[in-house]
Amino acid sequence: AQTVTQSQPEMSVQEAETVTLSCTYDTSENNYYLFWYKQPPSRQMILVIRQEAYKQQNATENRFSVNFQKAAKSFSLKISDSQLGDTAMYFCAFMKHGGHTGTASKLTFGTGTRLQVTL
Amino acid sequence: DSGVTQTPKHLITATGQRVTLRCSPRSGDLSVYWYQQSLDQGLQFLIQYYNGEERAKGNILERFSAQQFPDLHSELNLSSLELGDSALYFCASSPRAGRGYEQYFGPGTRLTVT
Repeated sequence: AQTVTQSQPEMSVQEAETVTLSCTYDTSENNYYLFWYKQPPSRQMILVIRQEAYKQQNATENRFSVNFQKAAKSFSLKISDSQLGDTAMYFCAFMKHGGHTGTASKLTFGTGTRLQVTL
Repeated sequence: DSGVTQTPKHLITATGQRVTLRCSPRSGDLSVYWYQQSLDQGLQFLIQYYNGEERAKGNILERFSAQQFPDLHSELNLSSLELGDSALYFCASSPRAGRGYEQYFGPGTRLTVT
C-alpha cells in the first residue's frame, strides 16, 4: 500500500515571498503520478499541479513548481511570489499508473499542510 | 468551477437515518470517485466507478453503497447513520481512469449527523 507523508502541519509566508511545502511518499511502484491539490477556506479541492514519475523534468504551472526526487521519494511544492489567495490547505496525493484505461486509480492523500500568507 | 456538481451542499440528519448524495461528473467524464474528508481520518477514498461499473473499493463501510447510472451521474447512499459519519463527502471525475488522468472535484456535500 502507498503512503503519503506531509510533515509540516502549518506554514506561514509573507506576501511576495517563496515557500516550499514538503511531501514524501512510499511505494513499490515504478510508474505513478503525483499531485498537489489546494483546499481554500471554501473547501473546494483544486488541482494545482501534476507530475508523471517517468518524467525527469519537474512540472511547473505559473508560480507553482515541484521538485521531484524519485530516488528519495520526495515531491515538494514551491510557491513563488506568494499571494493572499494562496492561503489554503495543500494536499499531496499519489496515484498508481494503473494499466489499460478504466483501471482503478484512486488518489492517496497526505494529511495536508495549512499555508497562511500574510501581509 | 470544476464542472462537477454535487447535491445537496449541506445535509443535517439524525442517527439511524439514510441519505443519498448525488454527483454529476464533468461532461464527457466516464469515471467517478467518492472521497470522505473527516477531521480524524483525513481524505479517504471510498469507491470508484467507470462507465457504470464498479472499479475499486476503498475504506467504504458496509452501510454505504454507491452506483453510477447510464447517464453517468452517481449516487452515494449512506444508511444507519452514526455520529462518526459526519464529514465532507466529495465526488470527483476524470475522463478515463488509470494512467494519471486528473481528477476534478465537486464542491462537496457536508453531512452532519446529530
